[in-house]
Amino acid sequence: AQSVTQPDIHITVSEGASLELRCNYSYGATPYLFWYVQSPGQGLQLLLKYFSGDTLVQGIKGFEAEFKRSQSSFNLRKPSVHWSDAAEYFCASGGYQKVTFGTGTKLQVIP
Amino acid sequence: GAVVSQHPSRVICKSGTSVKIECRSLDFQATTMFWYRQFPKQSLMLMATSNEGSKATYEQGVEKDKFLINHASLTLSTLTVTSAHPEDSSFYICSARGTDQETQYFGPGTRLLVL
Repeated sequence: AQSVTQPDIHITVSEGASLELRCNYSYGATPYLFWYVQSPGQGLQLLLKYFSGDTLVQGIKGFEAEFKRSQSSFNLRKPSVHWSDAAEYFCASGGYQKVTFGTGTKLQVIP
Repeated sequence: GAVVSQHPSRVICKSGTSVKIECRSLDFQATTMFWYRQFPKQSLMLMATSNEGSKATYEQGVEKDKFLINHASLTLSTLTVTSAHPEDSSFYICSARGTDQETQYFGPGTRLLVL
């Protein structure tokens, strides 16, 4: 069965600092991988996705993620965090049948 | 593109009543929609997969007679919480599978409070 692990429950970064959110997946074949962001009381917004091809994926809002098969990872990065990036971030794996979500990482941005 | 709406955004009801939540794909057709439940500070829990024109597929532990799902058209799926009880209070989110058949696009969620 697929599983997605987000090791960090909560991360705090200063505004302007770089960010990396970790995600590890467990899947036999090459998975479809996603990063979503959820603001309080809102639904999920797709930041980026990886299906195949270039392992460095660019998304919206200045986010990128890199697929590393050898490490079973799909970490999300942003070079300079803005206060508006404070939210909950979910990594997900899957696709046609169903999507498996990680437990989420809550990002706090301090001035 | 790929916008999904939900209605209502929040609802308060009395225990024992039924509540219907609508999920619509606004600018694309979705043969498959998904219903999730999210508890505070937790991840999303898939409740059921809704396929247009056929019966929904429920996840283990989800009562199909309590959570009725109808997917009557390619742009609309509804979730009806029947005989709601306080323990049904939660944040319900729907998603629709996009035209690439892999990506899910999420609605804004519905906050249900059962008194």
